[in-house]
Amino acid sequence: DTEVTQTPKHLVMGMTNKKSLKCEQHMGHRAMYWYKQKAKKPPELMFVYSYEKLSINESVPSRFSPECPNSSLLNLHLHALQPEDSALYLCASSQVTAGNTIYFGEGSWLTVV
Amino acid sequence: AQSVTQPDIHITVSEGASLELRCNYSYGATPYLFWYVQSPGQGLQLLLKYFSGDTLVQGIKGFEAEFKRSQSSFNLRKPSVHWSDAAEYFCAVGAPGSARQLTFGSGTQLTVLP
Repeated sequence: DTEVTQTPKHLVMGMTNKKSLKCEQHMGHRAMYWYKQKAKKPPELMFVYSYEKLSINESVPSRFSPECPNSSLLNLHLHALQPEDSALYLCASSQVTAGNTIYFGEGSWLTVV
Repeated sequence: AQSVTQPDIHITVSEGASLELRCNYSYGATPYLFWYVQSPGQGLQLLLKYFSGDTLVQGIKGFEAEFKRSQSSFNLRKPSVHWSDAAEYFCAVGAPGSARQLTFGSGTQLTVLP
């Protein structure tokens, strides 16, 4: 089962709201990722967790706060977002060893109004 | 640092015609190479990957890709395109030892004419 599940599929939030995106995988992967994708662009890496510890933060604004409660779950907490943060947010997972296949979820479409 | 170039932003083919999508990479050693496909409103699905060994790689949905070290290329091919193949295609390179795992090309949008 090569599946990464993301919820919600669609989210509309105001600039003063606090919301969270959730991601789950049961493939035993110990690396998990958040990517941001704008229309007609490739995914851009935001965060990498390795063994439940944050290993990479690609200079993402603090209004995005990741959390990895356990080896199967990854959250992205959102607060005080801007309209330009509207995008498709993709969660992904892989084995930790470099070069292993990264499996993507279907994404969460976020609209900030 | 590794980089990936997909020279074609948009390609249009007729259903049943053959397809080749180009991908060139820059990396000091042999990288790990991937092709992903993204249908509208969907996540990324892995089509195929190359790590080592046979330079002609078979993937899902009838796709194949050939790694050519001398040309730093990893082009994606399909002998007969179906209307359902219309999507965005991303080539990606992974560098051994890099926790960032993947660097994506800018993507090629495939349109299939009936």
